[in-house]
Amino acid sequence: EAQVTQNPRYLITVTGKKLTVTCSQNMNHEYMSWYRQDPGLGLRQIYYSMNVEVTDKGDVPEGYKVSRKEKRNFPLILESPSPNQTSLYFCASSNWAVGADTQYFGPGTRLTVL
Amino acid sequence: GENVEQHPSTLSVQEGDSAVIKCTYSDSASNYFPWYKQELGKRPQLIIDIRSNVGEKKDQRIAVTLNKTAKHFSLHITETQPEDSAVYFCAAGYSTLTFGKGTMLLVSP
Repeated sequence: EAQVTQNPRYLITVTGKKLTVTCSQNMNHEYMSWYRQDPGLGLRQIYYSMNVEVTDKGDVPEGYKVSRKEKRNFPLILESPSPNQTSLYFCASSNWAVGADTQYFGPGTRLTVL
Repeated sequence: GENVEQHPSTLSVQEGDSAVIKCTYSDSASNYFPWYKQELGKRPQLIIDIRSNVGEKKDQRIAVTLNKTAKHFSLHITETQPEDSAVYFCAAGYSTLTFGKGTMLLVSP
């Protein structure tokens, strides 16, 4: 089954404790992206990657890191989480052969930073 | 970068009525305009999309129109049903996507 998976689905942590949210897709998509969703603010892009070893900042990259060592995986790293990073996070992937295309979203990760 | 404005933020209709959600974008290079539906607690899912070489696209009760000159596009849902209740997002872009802030649609029986 074609899908995007994220882990963990729920996470409660404390300020300053490094964490990684994993994202994996099995559709051989070039493009992958991370969004955060907050009430009233919609989906805001954190980072995106158009292929292996190529990553770019989105609209809200501060406090986040990403890496794209393999085509299927795109982990999101919070080196020192803070309470303002409490949010719902979505990973997405798409075929980028013709530019922007349909994005397939993972199930989401609800993160709470105390 | 691209800026997408979406209106209204909330929309209440009676079952059977039509619903229209409008978006404007700023970057004339944008050539892809998808619409996503997000039910409570679920991930966003594509419901319809349109590219800049097409002015209108329809899929059963859902249609999208695009006016590239005015830089706006709209989602039209006819004969609304309670199961259409959700948050709808528009997006625009050419290499990556920028999303609007969403419209909460409530269809009352």
